[in-house]
Amino acid sequence: DGGITQSPKYLFRKEGQNVTLSCEQNLNHDAMYWYRQDPGQGLRLIYYSQIVNDFQKGDIAEGYSVSREKKESFPLTVTSAQKNPTAFYLCACQTGGIFRNTEAFFGQGTRLTVV
Amino acid sequence: AQTVTQSQPEMSVQEAETVTLSCTYDTSESNYYLFWYKQPPSRQMILVIRQEAYKQQNATENRFSVNFQKAAKSFSLKISDSQLGDTAMYFCAFMKGRAGNMLTFGGGTRLMVKP
Repeated sequence: DGGITQSPKYLFRKEGQNVTLSCEQNLNHDAMYWYRQDPGQGLRLIYYSQIVNDFQKGDIAEGYSVSREKKESFPLTVTSAQKNPTAFYLCACQTGGIFRNTEAFFGQGTRLTVV
Repeated sequence: AQTVTQSQPEMSVQEAETVTLSCTYDTSESNYYLFWYKQPPSRQMILVIRQEAYKQQNATENRFSVNFQKAAKSFSLKISDSQLGDTAMYFCAFMKGRAGNMLTFGGGTRLMVKP
């Protein structure tokens, strides 16, 4: 079945550590996104990528990094520079180009907690 | 930059009744998409309905319909015959131009359907 998968579902980080969240899709979608969701709040865009080997900063990119070496994969690294990383992280993908029935498909999320 | 505003943090409705969720957005673009997404307690994001800005006709999907007022930059969601399973966070989202561009979300409305 086609879909988008995030792993792990829960992740714990110690102070000063870098951690990487995985996002893989087999929908052959060009665009991929990373969002952060804090309790009771909306989704804030961290990074997005419209094509392999290219990505753009979103509204809250500081303290995060990404790569897009393959179309299927868009991992997010939360660096030690991110001072308040505890949150729910959502990855999404979407068909690029001019498609009228476009929609973003979301993974099931990763809950990151600093311990 | 585009902004999306949902002015109702929480709403409630009795089962079988109708409720309307508000969304306004700010953009200078003429070609864009608007979406409503649902996030139930499982936290899986689900597309409810989409609207292309060039279409004057309001989108409908079964019990869900929108009131798209382009000049007023308003995009409200009406849920008819509310069901207990409609209890969720609802997010309005904006995407300019073509699919794969930045996707911006509002802060969300928490909807509770009461039996």
